[in-house]
Amino acid sequence: QVTLKESGPMLVKPTETLTLTCTVSGFSLSNARVGVSWIRQPPGKALEWLAHIFSIDEKSYSTSLKTRLTISKDTSKSQVVLTLTNMDPADTGTYYCARIPGVSTTWFDSWGQGTLVTVSS
Amino acid sequence: SYELTQPPSVSVFPGQTASITCSGDKLGDKYTCWYQQKPGQSPVLVIYQDNKRPSGVPERFSGSASGNTATLTISGTQTMDEADYYCQAWDTTTPFVFGTGTKVTVL
Repeated sequence: QVTLKESGPMLVKPTETLTLTCTVSGFSLSNARVGVSWIRQPPGKALEWLAHIFSIDEKSYSTSLKTRLTISKDTSKSQVVLTLTNMDPADTGTYYCARIPGVSTTWFDSWGQGTLVTVSS
Repeated sequence: SYELTQPPSVSVFPGQTASITCSGDKLGDKYTCWYQQKPGQSPVLVIYQDNKRPSGVPERFSGSASGNTATLTISGTQTMDEADYYCQAWDTTTPFVFGTGTKVTVL
């Protein structure tokens, strides 16, 4: 059974750096054909894709946020990590990680439960 | 950047057909997928590659795409189908673009 679970702080202050971890099970991150993305959703608003990673060298970022985002993975721990610098109240929302089932696929077949992050002083 | 536009809301009576559109430049040339999101829950894939249903998704969910529009159709809508629905496509300029979302209300 494929599962993904997000973890990280619930509250961060403006200008701080957010670090979120996605721990996966039921599939291996060492499989370069399988990828993981981070997606967020402000309260009451639409989904917004942030970043994804396939292999160590194959990463992609949202154009509007790429200067603030870094995605990486630790295959031995089955974890994908996202950092978002210089947090702002507009970054408040639920952050999800989701699996891309293959390099040639363009959809997310499994999602984590999400973690709510609030940016406030 | 690439954008996908959906109507904010669609209302349907139980047993009737709900159609949700997703518009984007030459969307029919890309693959579109659809997610269902119920309040407080994570999105769930209901259609991928325009018209394929993942295992476990009821047959009343179907999809199509042509020109600049993709459509999710729910036939014989049930009260359990009340949710937000998001389209998503892949574009070379902005991978994994999501639509603006449509709230489906079953009257």
